[in-house]
Amino acid sequence: LAKTTQPISMDSYEGQEVNITCSHNNIATNDYITWYQQFPSQGPRFIIQGYKTKVTNEVASLFIPADRKSSTLSLPRVSLSDTAVYYCLVGDLYSGGYQKVTFGTGTKLQVIP
Amino acid sequence: DGGITQSPKYLFRKEGQNVTLSCEQNLNHDAMYWYRQDPGQGLRLIYYSQIVNDFQKGDIAEGYSVSREKKESFPLTVTSAQKNPTAFYLCASSIERDSDYGYTFGSGTRLTVV
Repeated sequence: LAKTTQPISMDSYEGQEVNITCSHNNIATNDYITWYQQFPSQGPRFIIQGYKTKVTNEVASLFIPADRKSSTLSLPRVSLSDTAVYYCLVGDLYSGGYQKVTFGTGTKLQVIP
Repeated sequence: DGGITQSPKYLFRKEGQNVTLSCEQNLNHDAMYWYRQDPGQGLRLIYYSQIVNDFQKGDIAEGYSVSREKKESFPLTVTSAQKNPTAFYLCASSIERDSDYGYTFGSGTRLTVV
């Protein structure tokens, strides 16, 4: 399983775009990149998933360069309610690779009024 | 609505007592997982199960036990052998193949041992 590295914490003002980068140098060919969001005392919830290039949904965008050794979660115009911990996970969807996936410490995003 | 239900949300137990945390899912997911989270820390895998009547130890299985008698249920027992059981426990499930969303998590059980 690919090891991931993220910044421990980030601060941002309301209304700004936030970009959180995750490094995964040992990503395998079949691995997908998935981001989760966790609020205090709640379980993590799925935000976005991608394999390569760019993926966008109603919540965020995910940018993946051609070498796939990193990925960037982009949150447009953050609000106070986006204050949470964000986890980057890398795993193989199609061979049961999500077993024993390790959630690191994630990136704690603090949005400031 | 489909989802994962963990109960209770808060649990208090005396030191030395075993306690069982409930996890039920109606998503028809094959795999289920238990994670432990300590303050300011990430999630650590305790046990996981890919099919009924089978489960595997995760990274911190000592002091814990599980069962998987039904596809929908994956209870976790925190035994008296667990040295520091006070933590936030999260249950999750996933489809083994063709999963678009990876894990679905429950809302967690906060266990406090006094």
